[in-house]
Amino acid sequence: KAGVTQTPRYLIKTRGQQVTLSCSPISGHRSVSWYQQTPGQGLQFLFEYFSETQRNKGNFPGRFSGRQFSNSRSEMNVSTLELGDSALYLCASSHPTGSGELFFGEGSRLTVL
Amino acid sequence: QKEVEQDPGPLSVPEGAIVSLNCTYSNSAFQYFMWYRQYSRKGPELLMYTYSSGNKEDGRFTAQVDKSSKYISLFIRDSQPSDSATYLCAMRIGGYQKVTFGTGTKLQVIP
Repeated sequence: KAGVTQTPRYLIKTRGQQVTLSCSPISGHRSVSWYQQTPGQGLQFLFEYFSETQRNKGNFPGRFSGRQFSNSRSEMNVSTLELGDSALYLCASSHPTGSGELFFGEGSRLTVL
Repeated sequence: QKEVEQDPGPLSVPEGAIVSLNCTYSNSAFQYFMWYRQYSRKGPELLMYTYSSGNKEDGRFTAQVDKSSKYISLFIRDSQPSDSATYLCAMRIGGYQKVTFGTGTKLQVIP
C-alpha cells in the first residue's frame, strides 16, 4: 500500500512569492492534515480537510490556505512568502473509521530567501 | 505556556540502556496519546498509541499515561543505535480534533 506522497520535496522561493504544495493521501483515507515543522516551534497544526471541507484550522495567518479535491488529494498554498515561512511542511492522512492515527509523508522543505 | 511540553534534549545514552522520554500537558481534555518517531529528513511515524490512562507495551517500547498528573512517558528497553531519532509526543481531545505535538526529544544511542 503506497504511503502519503508529498511534492515537491524541496523548493526555494524568494520573499513575496507564493508556493503550492501537494499531498496525496493513502488510498481510502479521506482526512488530510497539514503541519508546519520548525526547529524552535516543532509541529504546528495548519488545517485539516475531510471530504473536501476544512474541518479544523490552526492559528496561522490567512496567507496560508488549503483545499481538498474529490479524490482526497490536498494542496496548501502560501502567498506573499516571508523568511519565517521557511520550514518543513508535513501532510498526514488518516482513515475515517480508525482511531485517527496520522500517517505522515516525508514533507516538503521550503526555503525562503 | 504551550499545551504540551517536552524536553528537547539531546539525550545521549549507551547501547543497551533504558531510555525514558516524557511530556507534560495542560489540557485535561486530552484523551488520546501517541508517540511518534522521526528520523532525519523523514516524516514522523506512529510508534505507540494509547487511549486514556494506563500502560501499553509493544516489544521494547512501553507507553505510560498518567492523566491525574497530566504526564506521559515512553520507555525504550535495550536501546539500539537504530533508535537514534527524534521522539515526539502527541495528543488529541477527540476523534475528529487536531493532534497537538510536543517539540520532540532528540535521542542518540551510542554503540
